[in-house]
Amino acid sequence: EDKVVQSPLSLVVHEGDTVTLNCSYEVTNFRSLLWYKQEKKAPTFLFMLTSSGIEKKSGRLSSILDKKELFSILNITATQTGDSAVYLCAVERGNNDMRFGAGTRLTVKP
Amino acid sequence: DGGITQSPKYLFRKEGQNVTLSCEQNLNHDAMYWYRQDPGQGLRLIYYSQIVNDFQKGDIAEGYSVSREKKESFPLTVTSAQKNPTAFYLCASSAQGVITEAFFGQGTRLTVV
Repeated sequence: EDKVVQSPLSLVVHEGDTVTLNCSYEVTNFRSLLWYKQEKKAPTFLFMLTSSGIEKKSGRLSSILDKKELFSILNITATQTGDSAVYLCAVERGNNDMRFGAGTRLTVKP
Repeated sequence: DGGITQSPKYLFRKEGQNVTLSCEQNLNHDAMYWYRQDPGQGLRLIYYSQIVNDFQKGDIAEGYSVSREKKESFPLTVTSAQKNPTAFYLCASSAQGVITEAFFGQGTRLTVV
């Protein structure tokens, strides 16, 4: 059965800390892995990863995929209170559907 | 502006009534999806459609129905057979091909009383 597992489920840090969020997956016909940030309602897109070992960066956020070990990490450096959100990992399969993990709830305290 | 629109944002219905949630996109995307979100469970796929007049069941399709008569529209009906319909529903769309970043609507919160 296909599955996407995120860890930890929740995380509390202080401003300025660096955090690493994990996403492991077992899916058939893997196509891409995506990270989303969900603050209130709709998830907003962060990264799409298709190739192993190539880091994608956007400001203080970065992500990398390991297709051999079937996982991805999302790093956030110098965290700010505005980074508080649920971070969702999704894996797209070859039949164009996506499976989501349960999410990691990140709380950044001032 | 291109985007994906869900309506209404909040919906209240009595138990035993069917209710239809609207999802419209003007992004010219082929694929559309319906997800349900419950606390602690992430997003679970209800139905998806890769092309007009075709759709497939997702993980939790029981008690739901969809149609895809137009490329732009993918309405979801929550039927009285859905045992626990109170939830947050998200609609998404994506383009076919390599670049498949999904765009999400703002969601509909359905409360059944």
